[in-house]
Amino acid sequence: KAGVTQTPRYLIKTRGQQVTLSCSPISGHRSVSWYQQTPGQGLQFLFEYFSETQRNKGNFPGRFSGRQFSNSRSEMNVSTLELGDSALYLCASSDGGGYTFGSGTRLTVV
Amino acid sequence: DAKTTQPPSMDCAEGRAANLPCNHSTISGNEYVYWYRQIHSQGPQYIIHGLKNNETNEMASLIITEDRKSSTLILPHATLRDTAVYYCIVRVNNAGNMLTFGGGTRLMVKP
Repeated sequence: KAGVTQTPRYLIKTRGQQVTLSCSPISGHRSVSWYQQTPGQGLQFLFEYFSETQRNKGNFPGRFSGRQFSNSRSEMNVSTLELGDSALYLCASSDGGGYTFGSGTRLTVV
Repeated sequence: DAKTTQPPSMDCAEGRAANLPCNHSTISGNEYVYWYRQIHSQGPQYIIHGLKNNETNEMASLIITEDRKSSTLILPHATLRDTAVYYCIVRVNNAGNMLTFGGGTRLMVKP
């Protein structure tokens, strides 16, 4: 069974730009969650999607958004990038029990 | 979700058992104890979880005290590849209930 796939693996963007990250969950998993990891704040929950609907949301500004497609693939978007958005962005998929994480997308904002 | 307290770091000799403690004194009756680990720059990896009884799988054992206010993750024969940050999380086992990560314990396995 293929794991959770996140693309791209690494990304460098300039302040003010926007970025879209992609996550393909494990086949059959309908829940996709996103987390941000920084050295200062650790792992923080961004949002969770289930059956194309946002079911849960963390405490992040509106610049962070996401969506889920009918095949359960998910994207997250960050607009008007700030230096502080530099982080490892992790996606996790679930079938209702435990979570399986992808390897993440390392975003660097310069 | 209940808050957890873990020591920030621990060392363990290769081949010996690594015992990682976690305090969760405010855990509710329907909250499970989950353990994940994160090897440098990778996504967290699920290890084990339990509600009341001790649990064992191919990776580790989980010992939960009778009052459920603390638990210990045991890696029976630690290897260098077990060097990672270990996170103890308590959560209601409901779909949609996200994981709340604390600081974790940085385990260093030394030769």
